[in-house]
Amino acid sequence: KQEVTQIPAALSVPEGENLVLNCSFTDSAIYNLQWFRQDPGKGLTSLLLIQSSQREQTSGRLNASLDKSSGRSTLYIAASQPGDSATYLCAVPNQAGTALIFGKGTTLSVSS
Amino acid sequence: EAGVAQSPRYKIIEKRQSVAFWCNPISGHATLYWYQQILGQGPKLLIQFQNNGVVDDSQLPKDRFSAERLKGVDSTLKIQPAKLEDSAVYLCASSLVRDTGKNIQYFGAGTRLSVL
Repeated sequence: KQEVTQIPAALSVPEGENLVLNCSFTDSAIYNLQWFRQDPGKGLTSLLLIQSSQREQTSGRLNASLDKSSGRSTLYIAASQPGDSATYLCAVPNQAGTALIFGKGTTLSVSS
Repeated sequence: EAGVAQSPRYKIIEKRQSVAFWCNPISGHATLYWYQQILGQGPKLLIQFQNNGVVDDSQLPKDRFSAERLKGVDSTLKIQPAKLEDSAVYLCASSLVRDTGKNIQYFGAGTRLSVL
């Protein structure tokens, strides 16, 4: 049974710092891995989707990497800003490909 | 393009009462999902529809939860009777195709349910 773990559970940094969020999964047979952002009281917004054949994806200040063999992904946020404060979730499709399995998320707080 | 619409945004009920949530997916999206997100946890799939047929409801507590997607567009999720442990955010998502390996799911803002 696929399990997704995210470390750390919470992170507080001053504005301008570069930071790394970690995600691990137990079954390496995945189609892809997604990183989502969730703001309080709002739904999830997809940030990056990495296909199993890719090693990384970039969008602006965000860079996500994927190492299937070790069951790990990292989300790198460069030059963090207060507007980056949110909960970041990673997710992989279940074995049937019918839905996503999520980690518990990392809650990020960036202070100005 | 309009996003996934959900209502109500918030609902407070007492245990053993009934409640219903509504979702309108993005136009043209054949696949619709209901997820339950308990505080401090990631979302967990309750049920997936492909058009108006159920694809996966293995994690839906069928003794109290029910869902339907009449005409393959809007969907309603119902809880009857509610328990304290049902307090959570109920998220609706939709996608163009069924295969989650090839497409992105778009999420609504969710309905926050508090059961007292």
